[in-house]
Order: sequence, then C-alpha cells, then structure tokens
Amino acid sequence: AQSVTQLDSQVPVFEEAPVELRCNYSSSVSVYLFWYVQYPNQGLQLLLKYLSGSTLVESINGFEAEFNKSQTSFHLRKPSVHISDTAEYFCAVSGGMDSSYKLIFGSGTRLLVRP
Amino acid sequence: DTGVSQNPRHKITKRGQNVTFRCDPISEHNRLYWYRQTLGQGPEFLTYFQNEAQLEKSRLLSDRFSAERPKGSFSTLEIQRTEQGDSAMYLCASSPGGEGSSPQHFGDGTRLSIL
Repeated sequence: AQSVTQLDSQVPVFEEAPVELRCNYSSSVSVYLFWYVQYPNQGLQLLLKYLSGSTLVESINGFEAEFNKSQTSFHLRKPSVHISDTAEYFCAVSGGMDSSYKLIFGSGTRLLVRP
Repeated sequence: DTGVSQNPRHKITKRGQNVTFRCDPISEHNRLYWYRQTLGQGPEFLTYFQNEAQLEKSRLLSDRFSAERPKGSFSTLEIQRTEQGDSAMYLCASSPGGEGSSPQHFGDGTRLSIL
C-alpha cells in the first residue's frame, strides 16, 4: 500500500530565508507525486507535480521539488520565503496499481514565516 | 474554467440529523473524488466516480454515507444519522479522464459541525 510521511508538523522560518519541507513516500511501483498548499478555510491548491521526465519540477512562485527514486523522497524547497507563503503544505502520491488515481496525503507541514 | 464549487460552505447540525453536500466539478472533468479532512490532518479518500459510475469506496465510508453522481455531472454526499465523529471538512475534487494521473482540482470544501 502507498503511504506518505511528512516528518515535520511545523517549520518556522524567517522571511527571505531558505526552507525545505520534507516528504517521503512508500510504494513498490511507479507513482505520481504532488505538493498542494492550503490556506485557512480554503481547499487545496496544486503547487507542483511530478508525473514523469525531469526529476526537478518548479512552480511559478519560486518553489521547486526533486523526485529522488532511490531515497523515495520528494522534498519541497524555496530559496527565499515570503510572509505570504505561510500556509499548510501537503505532499501526496497517486498511481501505481491504483486505477482510480486517488491521492494519498501526508499529514501536512505548517510553514510559518516570521518577519 | 470556473473551478470546483461546493455547497454549502458551512453546515451546523444536531447529532442524529441527515445532511447533504453538493459538488459541482469543473465541466468536462470525468473523474470526481470526495475526501474528508479532520483538524491537523491531511485529506483522506472517501470515494471516486468515473462519470456516473462509483468505482471505489473507502472503508471510511460507512453505511451511513452515500454518494451519487447522476448524469455524470454534479455529485452529492449524504450522511445519515450524523455522529460527533463526522465533524470534518469534506472536500470534493475533479480531474480529466484518460490514462495516467491528472492533477486534481479541489473545491473550498464544506465544513460540517455536529452539535
């Protein structure tokens, strides 16, 4: 069965500092990987995705994530964070033998950016 | 593309009452998913529709829960005889059909509070 582990429940960081949010997944077959962001009282917004091809994927707002098959990781990074990046971030996996492509989420990491 | 729409945004009801939520997916999206999110956790999969067919249900979906997607457009999720443990955010997501995993687009959810 697939699973996702986000080890850090909360990551405090100062504005303009770099940040890494960790995500590890468990699956015996090829998967698709996603990062979603959730602001208070809202649904989830897709931040970036890895479906195939280049292992480094980037979003339009400066985030990037690298798919590492040997370490089964998909860590999210940003070189310089803004106050507006404060939110809950969820890593998710789908695919493999699952024809529904339902998402299996981690428990989330709260990014708290301080001035 | 008007996004995924969910109604109502908030629902407060007494224990034992029945509630129904509605989800309008992005038009022409064949796949529709329901998830449940409790405080401090990532969303958990409940059920999945491919057009009007309900193809997968989670064990989380007890017999008090029923979901429909008549005509393959909007979907409803009904909870009968609500219990305290049903309090959560119920999220709907949709994605295009076809092979492979397409990113799911989420609505803003319906927050259910059981008194």
